[in-house]
Amino acid sequence: GQNIDQPTEMTATEGAIVQINCTYQTSGFNGLFWYQQHAGEAPTFLSYNVLDGLEEKGRFSSFLSRSKGYSYLLLKELQMKDSASYLCAVREDGSGNTPLVFGKGTRLSVIA
Amino acid sequence: EAQVTQNPRYLITVTGKKLTVTCSQNMNHEYMSWYRQDPGLGLRQIYYSMNVEVTDKGDVPEGYKVSRKEKRNFPLILESPSPNQTSLYFCASSLSGLAGGPGYNEQFFGPGTRLTVL
Repeated sequence: GQNIDQPTEMTATEGAIVQINCTYQTSGFNGLFWYQQHAGEAPTFLSYNVLDGLEEKGRFSSFLSRSKGYSYLLLKELQMKDSASYLCAVREDGSGNTPLVFGKGTRLSVIA
Repeated sequence: EAQVTQNPRYLITVTGKKLTVTCSQNMNHEYMSWYRQDPGLGLRQIYYSMNVEVTDKGDVPEGYKVSRKEKRNFPLILESPSPNQTSLYFCASSLSGLAGGPGYNEQFFGPGTRLTVL
């Protein structure tokens, strides 16, 4: 089976750093994605990891450990506009043609 | 502008009245997909298509149909909608082929269709 776990909700302060964790158990693995979704809007792509390690993109970084089935999204210098849901998704198959399996998302609230 | 479009954006209908939600992309993507999103359940895939005339069931296909006659269009059909199909629906597309960098795998999502079935 497939299982992707993320915390349901998190709260952090403007200007701070927050780490959103994602653990996965899937039959195969060929990449992990993070998406941002503001309420009522479409998800938008943030990052992609297929090899172990840290990928940095501005204020956002994503880490992957394939042996542990674990990833995190790190958001630095939080801004109010970062209040959104963050979705972790895994592609199980190596062909690149198979669907993404999404976690239920983590709702992040940034407070002043 | 590269985009995925969906129509309608909002729809209120009654049980049993057939409806179609259209999805179109202008990026020449092979892969297209439909999701529904419900509170507490996250994004769940309904159907997907790897290319023209090739469609497959996702996790929650019951009560839905799709077709892929052209590469750019992937309509979602509800033959006899029921209240449990009230949801927020997203269409998405991406390039296909061998896994590579984000250029091959990133899914672009449409703006969503909020459907209410009374």
